[in-house]
Amino acid sequence: AQSVTQPDIHITVSEGASLELRCNYSYGATPYLFWYVQSPGQGLQLLLKYFSGDTLVQGIKGFEAEFKRSQSSFNLRKPSVHWSDAAEYFCAVTTSGTYKYIFGTGTRLKVLA
Amino acid sequence: DSGVTQTPKHLITATGQRVTLRCSPRSGDLSVYWYQQSLDQGLQFLIQYYNGEERAKGNILERFSAQQFPDLHSELNLSSLELGDSALYFCASSPGAGGFLETQYFGPGTRLLVL
Repeated sequence: AQSVTQPDIHITVSEGASLELRCNYSYGATPYLFWYVQSPGQGLQLLLKYFSGDTLVQGIKGFEAEFKRSQSSFNLRKPSVHWSDAAEYFCAVTTSGTYKYIFGTGTRLKVLA
Repeated sequence: DSGVTQTPKHLITATGQRVTLRCSPRSGDLSVYWYQQSLDQGLQFLIQYYNGEERAKGNILERFSAQQFPDLHSELNLSSLELGDSALYFCASSPGAGGFLETQYFGPGTRLLVL
């Protein structure tokens, strides 16, 4: 069955530290992968997406993600975290020709000053 | 601000009741999507409308229905409400019919509490 796993429910990092949020997927077809951020009291905002091509994808707010087919992963990274990055992050996957859009359970990021 | 508006922000109602959630998409966007975010089910896609027509259906219950009007605003109707329907309901919009392959812009959500 198709699934998306975000193994870390909560992550705490210090401001200025690097960040990596993990996302693993299980999908029979070629996946299209997304990362969204949800700030408190807000809707989701698309950070970046991967459809094909270069496996390292650059997004907004200084985020990037790398698609690794062999590991079925699409981890989100940021070299230096800012306090305003504190939010919940969701990984999502779909595939062409279907209307299944599956979200992970989210990772809540806390940033220490 | 994404440009997508949702009303009301909060809604408290009782089991068995019916409610209507409203969404206005960004100017020019033809697609509207509805999502449910709850503690036990997580974030789930419910349904997509494109230019007034149903385009895609996700995990939407039969007690729920939606429509998109000629002015492109959309309404999500939830009936025979149960405690488990308590959730945050998001609307999103996108310019075309590309569905999940297009960037979707999310509204701030309507928080529904069923007592």
